[in-house]
Parts: sequence; C-alpha cells; structure tokens
Amino acid sequence: DSGVTQTPKHLITATGQRVTLRCSPRSGDLSVYWYQQSLDQGLQFLIQYYNGEERAKGNILERFSAQQFPDLHSELNLSSLELGDSALYFCASSVGTEPNSPLHFGNGTRLTVT
Amino acid sequence: AQSVTQLDSQVPVFEEAPVELRCNYSSSVSVYLFWYVQYPNQGLQLLLKYLSGSTLVESINGFEAEFNKSQTSFHLRKPSVHISDTAEYFCAVSHSGNTGKLIFGQGTTLQVKP
Repeated sequence: DSGVTQTPKHLITATGQRVTLRCSPRSGDLSVYWYQQSLDQGLQFLIQYYNGEERAKGNILERFSAQQFPDLHSELNLSSLELGDSALYFCASSVGTEPNSPLHFGNGTRLTVT
Repeated sequence: AQSVTQLDSQVPVFEEAPVELRCNYSSSVSVYLFWYVQYPNQGLQLLLKYLSGSTLVESINGFEAEFNKSQTSFHLRKPSVHISDTAEYFCAVSHSGNTGKLIFGQGTTLQVKP
C-alpha cells in the first residue's frame, strides 16, 4: 500500500460531461502529481501541485484543471469530455519538490467516456 | 528536453531464465533514474532508483540496474525470473533543477512463461 488514495476507482460517463477525480497523498507529502495513462500515449505528466500552489505543468488540456486544497488533497476536473479522454488517471505524491525523491502512486481512476 | 526510450515493448521469457529490459535516456544535465513496476489493475510501485554513487543498484526482489553515463542507459536485469515477475516495467528520469516530476518511458511488458 503506497498510502496514496484515489477515488473513485472507476468512472463511466458520456461525452460532453464533467467529472472530478480525487486524490489524498501519503501522510506528510506536500507534492501531488497527476498523470494520464493511455495505450497510445503511455504515461503522460499532467500537472504538479506543491503545498497548494501549482508547480509544474505538462500536457494538460485546457478542458482539464486541478487544484490542491489546504488539507493537501487534490482534485482533477475534466470537462467537455471526449471519447479520447478515456484513460487511467494516476495521482502520485512526494515529500517535496526535490528531483531525487521517488513518487508514490495511487491505484488510479479508470475513466471511460461513452 | 528530457526523454526516455524503452527499446522493447514486450519481452517474453521462460521462467528461471535471465532477462534484460532496456532503457535509454536523453538529458543534458545530471539525472536521477528510476524503475517502476505495474502489476495488473494496480498503480506503479518503485522498484529501484539511481541517485548517485555506485552505478549498480539493486532491489529487494532480485532485480538490478546499472547506470551507464557514456551510453546514457539504465538497463534492468534479473538473473532468474519467476512467473510472479510478469508485469509492466517503466523506466523514468528526473534531473537536477527539476520540480520533482518524472518523465516515463513507454513501458515494457515482461511476460514470464512456465
């Protein structure tokens, strides 16, 4: 058990809809990262938050947004969903922002857009 | 920009045979290298990491990886695999000056056959 909790485990929704994915980091970790895993793109970094502030941005679409709350949990909001957004979304956490700190991953949320 | 290339998408091997999963990276600065393993329907788990010092690093379950700076490689090896090693393996890189996010390769599926 990595200590990172993601909910829900599965989400099925229709095109055009909006969903929210939730992540609770390991106790003591201040950084949260979001990744998208799909068959064609592999593991793509989306965005990182550190102690409530956005720290780094990757290949995140404008239809997607995220935030980290004072209790350090994070939410990833996906709107105007398209079929191509179907993927496994992972949250990871680390203590800080040091580049030599390993990330600890949750079990992911599987999003299916129909 | 950093990138990671895993040269094999699938590696089939018989039980008790040796295996090597290849990983090459591209970076113009000092790097930190990681191998993660993903079992079916689970998140990524850290297998081993190279931060500095000895170029040969080992995991608790018999895997090892060698950092080769001149060849920009970080190949993963195991002298004798078990059925339970069947999983997807990801190589990842971070670098000094980074915020902590990891860049992942496309993954290699290790299929151990009896």
